[in-house]
Amino acid sequence: NAGVTQTPKFQVLKTGQSMTLQCAQDMNHNSMYWYRQDPGMGLRLIYYSASEGTTDKGEVPNGYNVSRLNKREFSLRLESAAPSQTSVYFCASGVGALNSPLHFGNGTRLTVT
Amino acid sequence: EDKVVQSPLSLVVHEGDTVTLNCSYEVTNFRSLLWYKQEKKAPTFLFMLTSSGIEKKSGRLSSILDKKELFSILNITATQTGDSAIYLCALKETSGSRLTFGEGTQLTVNP
Repeated sequence: NAGVTQTPKFQVLKTGQSMTLQCAQDMNHNSMYWYRQDPGMGLRLIYYSASEGTTDKGEVPNGYNVSRLNKREFSLRLESAAPSQTSVYFCASGVGALNSPLHFGNGTRLTVT
Repeated sequence: EDKVVQSPLSLVVHEGDTVTLNCSYEVTNFRSLLWYKQEKKAPTFLFMLTSSGIEKKSGRLSSILDKKELFSILNITATQTGDSAIYLCALKETSGSRLTFGEGTQLTVNP
């Protein structure tokens, strides 16, 4: 079982460059999420998609855009990367039911120089 | 805004010790509280607590929620080096499935 798959695993960007982080899940989950994790900050929600065709801002959406391409895929785009976006990014998915845990991908470590 | 506070932020113990990790929160209206273990990569699910006073147990790990005092604890008995990880606490909102995470507790178990 692949679960939640994120690509790439590592990425180094220069300030101002753009890139898209890809996420796909094969569990037929309705909800998908993008988090960033920074030391001492825990996991902070960037954007989420409660169901196919909808997206909403989370706690820290500035500088990011998302696309829920279909039920399986949820991508995160950085249009003009900044050093403050250096972080580990996690994609997660969930059934969407009230009593169900999220399942996480293995993360993308992004460094912006 | 929901606020979840974990303590301690880091903890170093010896194998065989028992540890208690704390998670306190400031909201009263939420669906459930979850605990995750994060080693090198993705957080993995440990427990989901929805009712106050009912202990969830899995091997050497156990957890309980106190909705009156607004906290949860995660206990690990007879710790092993493989328990070394970041332990994350998260609140699940009343509608939908968004999670708000605490900062995490970095547990190090030395042999």
